[in-house]
Amino acid sequence: EEQLLESGGGLVQPGGSLRLSCVVPEFVFSSYAMSWVRQAPGKGLEWVSAINVGGSRTYYSDSVEGRFTISRDTSENTLYLQMNSLRVEDTAVYFCASGLSYSNYWGQGTLVTVSS
Amino acid sequence: EIVMTQSPATLSVSPGGRATLSCRASQSVNTNLAWYQQKPGQAPRLLIYGASTRATGIPARFSGSGSETEFTLTISSLQSEDFAIYYCQQYNTWPPNPIFGQGTKLDIK
Repeated sequence: EEQLLESGGGLVQPGGSLRLSCVVPEFVFSSYAMSWVRQAPGKGLEWVSAINVGGSRTYYSDSVEGRFTISRDTSENTLYLQMNSLRVEDTAVYFCASGLSYSNYWGQGTLVTVSS
Repeated sequence: EIVMTQSPATLSVSPGGRATLSCRASQSVNTNLAWYQQKPGQAPRLLIYGASTRATGIPARFSGSGSETEFTLTISSLQSEDFAIYYCQQYNTWPPNPIFGQGTKLDIK
């Protein structure tokens, strides 16, 4: 089964930092751009960021531009999301997902809670 | 920015019945439209992409239609496992900025 596995979520104070990781099956990682999508508690889905297959192009939503950094490590088949200057409104489950457009592979998500 | 509006917010249908979910884009997205199903505590599951192409393993009772600004997801002969929240998503913009609708909750009547 194509399992994407996120980790790194937790409780952090406003203004703090957190790095999320997502281990991706090799056949997915080598073929697909990758994205992060988040879902605030009880709310809908929000695309956050994406990176192309080679890692040379990155894209961000306006809400995280300048605060979050997406990257990928081919040797580890791992996708990352470095989150700085976190705000209460960044509280959400963060999913990694395949693709720049629609996503057919998803992880189960990791919860990030920003609270004092 | 494109706004995706789904209707209704909640739809109650009996098992075995037919559900019709709507999604409207504030401007044309051609057929760059996907549909997802999400159950509580789970990741979204891709159902439809390209407005009408079923993803791998998706049963034929799920069908998508539409183009430009008006889209429909139809689920015929509803099964118990189909009761969930459904999201549409446009991916027509470049640089990529996929936008989701707010979701339609499909309830058992």
